[in-house]
Amino acid sequence: QSALTQPPSASGSPGQSVTISCTGTSSDIGGYNYVSWYQQHPGKAPKLMIYEVSKRPSGVPDRFSGSKSGNTASLTVSGLQAEDEADYYCSSYAGSNNCVFGTGTKVTVL
Amino acid sequence: EVQLVETGGGLIQPGGSLRLSCAASGFTVSSSYMSWVRQAPGKGLEWVSVLYSGGNTYYADSVKGRFTISRDNSKNTLYLQMNSLRAEDTAVYYCARRYSSSWAHQWWGQGTLVTVSS
Repeated sequence: QSALTQPPSASGSPGQSVTISCTGTSSDIGGYNYVSWYQQHPGKAPKLMIYEVSKRPSGVPDRFSGSKSGNTASLTVSGLQAEDEADYYCSSYAGSNNCVFGTGTKVTVL
Repeated sequence: EVQLVETGGGLIQPGGSLRLSCAASGFTVSSSYMSWVRQAPGKGLEWVSVLYSGGNTYYADSVKGRFTISRDNSKNTLYLQMNSLRAEDTAVYYCARRYSSSWAHQWWGQGTLVTVSS
C-alpha cells in the first residue's frame, strides 16, 4: 500500500489560511469517507485534528476544517497561529482492514 | 484521564526479538480497537497493526508473519511481539486507541524507540 501524497511544506503568515492536500486513489481516499488528519509537534505524539473527512474531535478549534473531492482530501487551517506550526499527516482507510498515512507536510508560520 | 504508556523499546540486533507493551488507563483495552503505528527517524507515520475488541487482528504487509499484536485484559495492556527484526523496523512505536466506527486514532501514547542495529 503506497503512502498518500502530501506537499512537503506549506506556510502562511499569522492570521492567514493554509490548505494542505492529500492525494490517494479510488482504493483509499476516493473509496471511503474515513480520512483523518493529525498534527505532530517535534518529539511529540500525533494529535487527531479531523476525522471522517470533516469532523472535529472535542477540543479542536474550528479553525481546522477538512474536505474531500474524489481522490484528494484537504485540511485548511484558518487564522494561522504560532502554535499551528507542526507536521501534519493525513490518513485513510484503504480497505481490507488496512490503513495508510500521508507523507507529511511541514507547516511553517512566517 | 486517558493515558497510554509504551515500554519495551531498545537496541536489538538484526534477527532478534522484542516485545513492546502499552499500559492503558482511563478506558478498557478489551472493549476498544487498538493499533500500533510506527515512525522511522525523520520519516512519516506507518500503520502497523490493529486488534479489535472481538479479537480479530490485522497487519501491514511489511510486518505480516513477523509481528503479533495481543492484549492482557487483566493488566489492561496491549502488546506487540516483534520477531525477525530488520534495520527497516527501526522506529518510534506508538500505541493508539481507534474510534470503533472510524479509522481515526483518537488517543496516542508517547511512543517507544526501537533501534535494530548490529
